[in-house]
Amino acid sequence: GAVVSQHPSRVICKSGTSVKIECRSLDFQATTMFWYRQFPKQSLMLMATSNEGSKATYEQGVEKDKFLINHASLTLSTLTVTSAHPEDSSFYICSARAGGFDQPQHFGDGTRLSIL
Amino acid sequence: DQQVKQNSPSLSVQEGRISILNCDYTNSMFDYFLWYKKYPAEGPTFLISISSIKDKNEDGRFTVFLNKSAKHLSLHIVPSQPGDSAVYFCAASARDYGQNFVFGPGTRLSVLP
Repeated sequence: GAVVSQHPSRVICKSGTSVKIECRSLDFQATTMFWYRQFPKQSLMLMATSNEGSKATYEQGVEKDKFLINHASLTLSTLTVTSAHPEDSSFYICSARAGGFDQPQHFGDGTRLSIL
Repeated sequence: DQQVKQNSPSLSVQEGRISILNCDYTNSMFDYFLWYKKYPAEGPTFLISISSIKDKNEDGRFTVFLNKSAKHLSLHIVPSQPGDSAVYFCAASARDYGQNFVFGPGTRLSVLP
């Protein structure tokens, strides 16, 4: 149980393109979804937290107009990297949680984004 | 300021022996702790958790120990297997802190056959 599907797993595109990444909880309803970014050999960096039906809460230093998050339902959240540039190339991972602070987050397998 | 620390970036252990991964935290408000395992190019996988009301939680080969006074937790894997080779992240959360977990930087475990 507790499967989170993230799609696509890999994206390679030209600078200036907008890229959408989907995160779905397949067998549970996710009250909260999280988006992380991981740089090589570093830990997970939280970008934003989203609750279904409300605006995402972004971490300091993360541009909300650059990284658009939509949490339209209890099973789907999307991250859109708008007008992507090479410095946006990274490994993006989503996670989902059903319940409060004492419930584990379940992670997707991540999306490797490469901007040429 | 890093609230969750994993001071060993890497650890090598012989197959069949015990692996001990350590984690220290600074925020005394944390009351729920987890360990995740991550293979390259995959998302982290939840391993085991512990609430601050306990000092030990065991699940098969994995045991997590919590020492609240020292603000320290550890993950013991015994016996270690080559398939355990991965990066292990310690994470902590608090009821009053917010919705998110704070992750440590990870420790890369290599189990040698």
